[in-house]
Amino acid sequence: LAKTTQPISMDSYEGQEVNITCSHNNIATNDYITWYQQFPSQGPRFIIQGYKTKVTNEVASLFIPADRKSSTLSLPRVSLSDTAVYYCLPDSYNTDKLIFGTGTRLQVFP
Amino acid sequence: DARVTQTPRDKVTEMGQEVTMRCQPILGHNTVFWYRQTMMQGLELLAYFRNRAPLDDSGMPKDRFSAEMPDATLATLKIQPSEPRDSAVYFCASGLGLASNNEQFFGPGTRLTVL
Repeated sequence: LAKTTQPISMDSYEGQEVNITCSHNNIATNDYITWYQQFPSQGPRFIIQGYKTKVTNEVASLFIPADRKSSTLSLPRVSLSDTAVYYCLPDSYNTDKLIFGTGTRLQVFP
Repeated sequence: DARVTQTPRDKVTEMGQEVTMRCQPILGHNTVFWYRQTMMQGLELLAYFRNRAPLDDSGMPKDRFSAEMPDATLATLKIQPSEPRDSAVYFCASGLGLASNNEQFFGPGTRLTVL
């Protein structure tokens, strides 16, 4: 059963860069890697997706090494509003891989 | 802007009662997912549909849970009879297809409490 592994929690302070690494050893050739963000009392929402190397959008950057067995979500200069749970998953419709798990709970302090 | 809607937002019921949760996917989306979220297990996939046909419901307890899509604008998740261990937040999500790079759009969830 495919599974991702990411830290359970991380703490940071406003203005710092936060990097959350996820391992996905069973990623398949056709899988993209997607990260979602979830605020309390809300459903997860898409923040970034990539296949290899680096992707950047207005919210975050995603770094994927050549073997694609891991990925790192980078949040530049976090603010209090970035406090949330972050999930990574290989975005695949092989439902064995649609496992969000418990994610990484990021707490940003003033 | 287009959103997935879910009703009810909160539901408190007693053990043994039937519970029906409803989801309206984003218009034009042909895949619908049902998830359950608890503190211990995180976000678990229960079932999903493509073009209203159930493709996988292996994550769902078959004896008490059922998921259907009566039409393209409505997905339902039913629990009968409900048990206290079913207490969780249930999310519906919809998407544009089965390609690996398709994004899932989540609804606000239904918080179910079974007493």
